[in-house]
Formats: sequence, C-alpha cells, structure tokens
Amino acid sequence: GDSVTQMEGPVTLSEEAFLTINCTYTATGYPSLFWYVQYPGEGLQLLLKATKADDKGSNKGFEATYRKETTSFHLEKGSVQVSDSAVYFCALGPPEGGSQGNLIFGKGTKLSVKP
Amino acid sequence: DTEVTQTPKHLVMGMTNKKSLKCEQHMGHRAMYWYKQKAKKPPELMFVYSYEKLSINESVPSRFSPECPNSSLLNLHLHALQPEDSALYLCASSPSGGVSSYNSPLHFGNGTRLTVT
Repeated sequence: GDSVTQMEGPVTLSEEAFLTINCTYTATGYPSLFWYVQYPGEGLQLLLKATKADDKGSNKGFEATYRKETTSFHLEKGSVQVSDSAVYFCALGPPEGGSQGNLIFGKGTKLSVKP
Repeated sequence: DTEVTQTPKHLVMGMTNKKSLKCEQHMGHRAMYWYKQKAKKPPELMFVYSYEKLSINESVPSRFSPECPNSSLLNLHLHALQPEDSALYLCASSPSGGVSSYNSPLHFGNGTRLTVT
C-alpha cells in the first residue's frame, strides 16, 4: 500500500543553518504531496504542497520539489530561525478528485533551532 | 488564530463518564474530520463527514460516537473510555466535501487534550 518515510529526528540546528528533512514515498498513481507543521500545543498547519511531478511548493522560506523519478519531496530552508522549532510531517494525499480522507502522514520530524 | 475551533482545550474524564468534544468552523467547508494523535506520533484518521453524512469510519470502537448536527459543527461523544484512549483529538475541515483539489487543504483545530483516568 501507499506509504511515507520521513527521516528520524530530532534535528537540532543553530539559527541561520541550512535545513533539509528527507521524505520519500511509495504510491500507485499520481499522489499529491504535502508538508504540515505542528508547533508546540497546536494542531497541524499546511506548510506547502505540490500536486504533480516537478512542482515546487514554497512558503515562509521553506521549499520542496515533487520528484517522481526519486519518489521524494524533501523539505529545505536556507536559514532557519528559532521560531521554526516544531514537528514537521510529510504527507501523501490523493490526486485531484480523490478522497481527501486518505491522507497518509509520515512519522514526523522534530526540529529544534538554538539561538 | 485557527479558523477551526475546538472545545474544550483539555479534558480529564473517568472511565465511567460521558463527555463530548466539540468542533466548529465557519469557512463554509463541506467536509469535517476527527483525528487522534498520540504523543510523538502522526495523526490517525478516525472519521470523515462529507456534506453532513458519515463517509469514513476507520474501524473506531463504538465508545467513540461522532455526530454532525450541521455543516459547521462536529461533535465526538465519548463513553466508557479506556486509559489508552488518552491522546490529542484533532478536528479538521476541508472545502470540497472530502474530495481533494489543489485549493482544498485540511484546516486543523488546536485539538482537545484528553486524559482518561
């Protein structure tokens, strides 16, 4: 079945460091891909998304490119801030028109950014 | 501020109690969801309502009973829970009746932290 594999955390970085969180997926068809972020004590927020191969999602300085040839959707940010400390979830969703309820989450990666 | 409001924020209940979790959204979304999240784990889907009808039940025990009184409200009724049901319960909504589209991401509330004693 469909699945998402995310790099294990926790990840600890200094402020202004470069961030990469790896995410790979297994799916039939042409899924949509998402990154959600969960700040302490809060629910999940959509960070960015891509719905087809070679699409790049971007938001708040974060980027991820949908790579069908490597089945990957790695999250990157050039310069992290303390306020980026959170848990990041990679998720695989249905293609356009599919049932939204079938969102599959990775296990999450906790990021801690030190001043 | 989240546009999906969940109450209460925290709930402690005994195994013989009956309680309800509430979720409200006023974005005109037509699909609403309940997720359960244990510590350091991703959310797990429990139920999906699409146009006020239950469309997905992920084999959830009957001690959890969802209700969708109207398109803006979603309740989760709890009865005879077990300590292992302690978790963060997240409500979410999406615009397009549960059908994925580029413009219909899930909007999550901040959750209810449930402790069963």
